[in-house]
Amino acid sequence: GENVEQHPSTLSVQEGDSAVIKCTYSDSASNYFPWYKQELGKGPQLIIDIRSNVGEKKDQRIAVTLNKTAKHFSLHITETQPEDSAVYFCAARGGEGTYKYIFGTGTRLKVLA
Amino acid sequence: EAGVTQFPSHSVIEKGQTVTLRCDPISGHDNLYWYRRVMGKEIKFLLHFVKESKQDESGMPNNRFLAERTGGTYSTLKVQPAELEDSGVYFCASSQVAYSNTGELFFGEGSRLTVL
Repeated sequence: GENVEQHPSTLSVQEGDSAVIKCTYSDSASNYFPWYKQELGKGPQLIIDIRSNVGEKKDQRIAVTLNKTAKHFSLHITETQPEDSAVYFCAARGGEGTYKYIFGTGTRLKVLA
Repeated sequence: EAGVTQFPSHSVIEKGQTVTLRCDPISGHDNLYWYRRVMGKEIKFLLHFVKESKQDESGMPNNRFLAERTGGTYSTLKVQPAELEDSGVYFCASSQVAYSNTGELFFGEGSRLTVL
């Protein structure tokens, strides 16, 4: 079946360093890839997304890249800050008419001050 | 504007008991989803409502789980009888558009279910 693999499961970085989280999806029809951030005690919240017709998207300190051929997409956080500490989930959604999001297993990011 | 609200935030029950989780989506969102996360694993799709109709319930684990959305507003998810493997965090999410790439999911804070 469809699945999304996410790595690493945990990631610790020093404040100011960069963090990269990688995902691989199996359904070649997937065309929308959101990233969610879940802070302690809260529900996941969308932080950035990318469509399949775009290779890269940036929003301030966060960026997402997509390689459709390899079915890989990645989240990049630069100049990390303590408030970036959270669990991050990648997801993939199929083509037109598909409403089901397949999520990765999550990455717990710790930014050390 | 109120976000997606879920109740209860945490429920501890014994194996064999019944639990009902409730979700109130964002007002005006026709699409409502239930997801579940077992510790350390992915956020797994359970089912999707469009208004009061079940669009896809392929992720429901078995017939011990029953979801309803009477009137197309709030939804309930009942587990009866609960088993140990049902423990996890149950998330509800809603969205305004299902079939376009801008159908952002808005999640509730989740209901943590612990079955002893």
